[in-house]
Amino acid sequence: ELKVEQNPLFLSMQEGKNYTIYCNYSTTSDRLYWYRQDPGKSLESLFVLLSNGAVKQEGRLMASLDTKARLSTLHITAAVHDLSATYFCAVESLYIFGTGTRLKVLA
Amino acid sequence: DAGVIQSPRHEVTEMGQEVTLRCKPISGHDYLFWYRQTMMRGLELLIYFNNNVPIDDSGMPEDRFSAKMPNASFSTLKIQPSEPRDSAVYFCASRGDRGMDTQYFGPGTRLTVL
Repeated sequence: ELKVEQNPLFLSMQEGKNYTIYCNYSTTSDRLYWYRQDPGKSLESLFVLLSNGAVKQEGRLMASLDTKARLSTLHITAAVHDLSATYFCAVESLYIFGTGTRLKVLA
Repeated sequence: DAGVIQSPRHEVTEMGQEVTLRCKPISGHDYLFWYRQTMMRGLELLIYFNNNVPIDDSGMPEDRFSAKMPNASFSTLKIQPSEPRDSAVYFCASRGDRGMDTQYFGPGTRLTVL
């Protein structure tokens, strides 16, 4: 079965801490995306990762892709409250989204 | 560009009624996607089009659902007859055809079927 699995599903962390969200997928894919969704809102694109070893950074978020391991990570550095949201990864080849990771950053 | 436009933003209807959701993609985008989001099933791809042609509709739950894209600037998702289990947020997204292009999502239509 084709799957995109994220872990953890829920993450509560203190401001200033670091953490990593993992995205495992079960098929080869040309592209992997990360999105952010605020409660009651639409999805906003964060990163597009195109090749093995790709690394993208924007502010306190950094995403990487290992196509051999079929793994992508979203690393959060020195979290702030504004990063509280649900984060999704998505695999291009099947347009399948992960289950989402609901992040809550506590002040 | 105004982004992806969806209408209506909210729809409340009774079981058995026909529902039509509308989407205007970003101008110049070749791909259009319809997704459904629920708490239980997450975000599911229903169907996507490339250059107005349906490419994969395997996610359409059943024959009650149909989607059309008569031209590059308009698509509809129709549910007939609607059922309470169809209650969800329906997103439309569009994407260009360049290597770094990502999907741009519309604001969604929140459908409630009573």
